[in-house]
Amino acid sequence: TQLLEQSPQFLSIQEGENLTVYCNSSSVFSSLQWYRQEPGEGPVLLVTVVTGGEVKKLKRLTFQFGDARKDSSLHITAAQPGDTGLYLCAGALYNQGGKLIFGQGTELSVKP
Amino acid sequence: KAGVTQTPRYLIKTRGQQVTLSCSPISGHRSVSWYQQTPGQGLQFLFEYFSETQRNKGNFPGRFSGRQFSNSRSEMNVSTLELGDSALYLCASSLLPTATDTQYFGPGTRLTVL
Repeated sequence: TQLLEQSPQFLSIQEGENLTVYCNSSSVFSSLQWYRQEPGEGPVLLVTVVTGGEVKKLKRLTFQFGDARKDSSLHITAAQPGDTGLYLCAGALYNQGGKLIFGQGTELSVKP
Repeated sequence: KAGVTQTPRYLIKTRGQQVTLSCSPISGHRSVSWYQQTPGQGLQFLFEYFSETQRNKGNFPGRFSGRQFSNSRSEMNVSTLELGDSALYLCASSLLPTATDTQYFGPGTRLTVL
């Protein structure tokens, strides 16, 4: 049973387009993180959101944590080829220490 | 500051063998977690160690085990390897084992079981 549903799984877009990736769960998370992973490397943290309703911006990337702390989204504005990669959301449940529950990932390809 | 290092980077084993993977956390980090990444299941939590104690364990069979040393370095062992154990094994370190502490991942060990 996948605790964190991430969609879409694959996304192929043209440079300059906007996109949104979603992560949804029936569980409540104490925090939610977004990672990006390049081939042959480990995931690299993009952002951590901890407050329900929180919105964080990182240049062209906007991250939102749902009010109920059960869902999150990543929006990329004017995507560039350098944004290509695997994007992963990961939630931390309460009283589970640093254990992260990962979504299946979104494989993003941005074509010039 | 050096990142998380994992050795070896690549490993090929045959069914029934056992394997030990090593992880050296970022200097000063005392918490180490292990994850298995496969195309079908994505990243799945294996275990978490802090101060040489296993604090959390994922839903994996007893063939998967780990330990942490006094210098925070960690090893994980898989015995009686099965084809389905082929995966990228990732180690992550953080200062403390909390939900909001940033976890830094190593490059992983790619294990292939033939």
